[in-house]
Parts: sequence; structure tokens; C-alpha cells
Amino acid sequence: LLLTQPHSTSEFPGKTVTISCTRTSGSFASNSVQWYQKRPDTSFTTVIYDNSQRASGIPDRFTVSIDSSSKSATLIISGLQAEDEADYYCQSSDGHNVVFGGGTRLTVL
Amino acid sequence: QITLKESGPTLVKPTQTLTLTCALSGLSVNFRGVGVGWIRQPPGKSLEWLALIYWDNNKFYSPSLQSRVTVTKDPSKNRVVLTMTNVDLVDTGKYFCARTSSDDILTRGSFDSWGQGTLVTVSS
Repeated sequence: LLLTQPHSTSEFPGKTVTISCTRTSGSFASNSVQWYQKRPDTSFTTVIYDNSQRASGIPDRFTVSIDSSSKSATLIISGLQAEDEADYYCQSSDGHNVVFGGGTRLTVL
Repeated sequence: QITLKESGPTLVKPTQTLTLTCALSGLSVNFRGVGVGWIRQPPGKSLEWLALIYWDNNKFYSPSLQSRVTVTKDPSKNRVVLTMTNVDLVDTGKYFCARTSSDDILTRGSFDSWGQGTLVTVSS
């Protein structure tokens, strides 16, 4: 199983940005997708778990969309804020292994 | 508040065995449902899951590393220990421990709490 994310993205404050995560095998219907945020000098923070559940303390500006094939998930961040600037990683599994995407660096312009 | 803190050597020679410790506070390693995993990040690269141990001593390993990695827990010190044998230069990276409350991390659920990580360099 591999998870593919764009290397980087950028957007202006107040706008909406999307980060995709596409798996090579299986589906997110069978093995959920999780999203983590990593800001410099801080620990990893769970943003989304079990495909669409926001972790405690995560604002509703963060949502996830999964396509009809359940092979592609998109993290959607609306009302972008400066504090959202970070690296974002998707994570899933295939019953034998836990796999992370390559990470996407989000720059808030 | 639940915290995890990794510790171990910063420099290891090739072929040696690496032992890392994850100390938990605010939560017992024996608390029903708790799992503690190890994840690493080589410089400039993404995250790689290594192993996980559950409260009931059930253990899971990355298929690519299971021949070299062992995870155990020490309830008396409330910690989890990762051992990696025969290290190589490619094992250089930051090693994180993280807690999961998922009962089946190989299917669903996330790593809820992460340590700050400990940097390990493999060099002769």
C-alpha cells in the first residue's frame, strides 16, 4: 500500500485549500484515513481520524471528502489562517501495515 | 494530560543494536485499550511505522522491519521499549512513540498523542 500526497500547496488567508491522499490498493471504506498536522517545534497533532471525525479541539474548518471509489481522500481547510501553515500527513492501513503519505507542506501566503 | 517522551542514544554504529524507550505519563501502558506505537522519520523523508504494542501485550510489526524490531513494555516503569538489531545508515532519523486508543490500528483509528521524538544517527 502506498499513499500519495502532493508535495506542497499554498493559498491566501481566508481562502480554501485542499490536500489529496490517494491509495494504491484497498479502500478507505475498509481501512480508514487519518490526517496529522505537524508545525515546526511542536508534536504531531491528529486533525481527522476514521475518515471524517475531527479530533478534539480541531475547528470545523477542517473537513474530509472521500471519492466514490474510496481510494482518494481530500483534506479541505476553509477560512485558511496563518496558524494552519504546517506539514500535513495522511495515514491509513491495509490490515498488515500502517502507512503514511509523503506529507504536504501547506504555506499560507 | 497524557505525555510520551522518547529517549535513547543519539549515535549508534552500524551493525549495533538500538534500544529506545518511551516513557508514558498520565496513562498506564496496561490500561485497557491502550496501544503504543513507534514511528520514525528519516531526514527529509516521510513517516514510517515500525511497531505497536497493546495493553494486553498483543504486538504488531511493520512487515519490512519485523525481522529486526522488537517491542516490549515495562509496566513497573510505565514505559515501552523498542529494540532494533543490526542497524544501518538508513536507520538514521527521528524516532517517535505515539499512543493509540484504536483497538485495531491496522484497520482504523489514529495515533492520538505523540512524543517530541528522539534523533538517532547511525554512523561509524
